[in-house]
Amino acid sequence: EPEVTQTPSHQVTQMGQEVILRCVPISNHLYFYWYRQILGQKVEFLVSFYNNEISEKSEIFDDQFSVERPDGSNFTLKIRSTKLEDSAMYFCASSEATGYKTQYFGPGTRLLVL
Amino acid sequence: AQSVSQHNHHVILSEAASLELGCNYSYGGTVNLFWYVQYPGQHLQLLLKYFSGDPLVKGIKGFEAEFIKSKFSFNLRKPSVQWSDTAEYFCAVNARTGANNLFFGTGTRLTVIP
Repeated sequence: EPEVTQTPSHQVTQMGQEVILRCVPISNHLYFYWYRQILGQKVEFLVSFYNNEISEKSEIFDDQFSVERPDGSNFTLKIRSTKLEDSAMYFCASSEATGYKTQYFGPGTRLLVL
Repeated sequence: AQSVSQHNHHVILSEAASLELGCNYSYGGTVNLFWYVQYPGQHLQLLLKYFSGDPLVKGIKGFEAEFIKSKFSFNLRKPSVQWSDTAEYFCAVNARTGANNLFFGTGTRLTVIP
């Protein structure tokens, strides 16, 4: 069964450094998403991406964040200058279509900012 | 704005006990409803979903959920839990049209005692 994959599984970085989290969505899916889960809190939506542009973003997704689909398979989330509060589990998801849409999640990248 | 409430934060049951986890949502339009499960150390997996039709939906591993529109509820049930059901359960909703992003509840941790 096709799965969403994410790399790395864990990332430790120093505050102020840039990080890039990578995702490979399910191959025939057209919509891509990033969510995050701070330890002990709920899963929160960050951004959705369709047709090579952002379709929705939350208040969390400020200018420090960017997303890109650099090639036909990868979908990346970049945090330009990490803060301590960016420490979280970051989940990528993809869905086939809108409307009756099921999002399938990757295993997550645990980001720790020191 | 959409919101999802899961009132049970931690549920502890013995094997073979029946399970019901509450989920209420707040949204003015038509929604899709989901239950995701996160087993220890694993990623979010879809347990079941409701888009339309029969409000009683059946998912994997013997789980079912009932959509009660008048109560804005989508409670998860299982007649007889197993130790392997120990996990965190998340209710989520998104709008049928427009924005795709999922709104998650805070999750319910289920511990099943053998």
